[in-house]
Amino acid sequence: NAGVTQTPKFQVLKTGQSMTLQCAQDMNHNSMYWYRQDPGMGLRLIYYSASEGTTDKGEVPNGYNVSRLNKREFSLRLESAAPSQTSVYFCASSAHNLEQFFGPGTRLTVL
Amino acid sequence: GQQVMQIPQYQHVQEGEDFTTYCNSSTTLSNIQWYKQRPGGHPVFLIQLVKSGEVKKQKRLTFQFGEAKKNSSLHITATQTTDVGTYFCAASSGGSNYKLTFGKGTLLTVNP
Repeated sequence: NAGVTQTPKFQVLKTGQSMTLQCAQDMNHNSMYWYRQDPGMGLRLIYYSASEGTTDKGEVPNGYNVSRLNKREFSLRLESAAPSQTSVYFCASSAHNLEQFFGPGTRLTVL
Repeated sequence: GQQVMQIPQYQHVQEGEDFTTYCNSSTTLSNIQWYKQRPGGHPVFLIQLVKSGEVKKQKRLTFQFGEAKKNSSLHITATQTTDVGTYFCAASSGGSNYKLTFGKGTLLTVNP
């Protein structure tokens, strides 16, 4: 099992460009999450999907959209990237109210 | 929304010294989880505490959940260089909401 995979690993964008971060899990988990991690800020929840077909906003959703494509995949889209979105993005999944498994992260720089 | 305060933000110790990080909430928590993130890596689950006053041990790591379920601690005995990383607590308010609120983490560095 690969666990949680994320693509790409690194990305550099110019202000105003758009991109989609991909996430997939092979553990048959119902819940999936997107976080951003900035120095000194810990992990902040952007969006989550408690089950297939549902998505909800987290703590910092502005400037992002998500799609729960199926049970395995949960993508995060930046429609018009801004320098404030420079961060490390982690996808995670979990079964019910249990431990979260994290992907390796995407390091995004917006110039 | 729910907030979880974690202290200290940084801790530097000599190898062999003990280390403790604390997590506090103003509201009663359903459960609390602890994660470790090595430099350049991703968070990895360590443990979950659910019961009031619960204490769990993993080798040199001791995890406690307060009696009021509003605070928790992680204690490492005799630190080693392999303990280096950031330790996060993460709290759940329970119910059908599977969101976790993470503390800002404690970065532990160990001088060999």
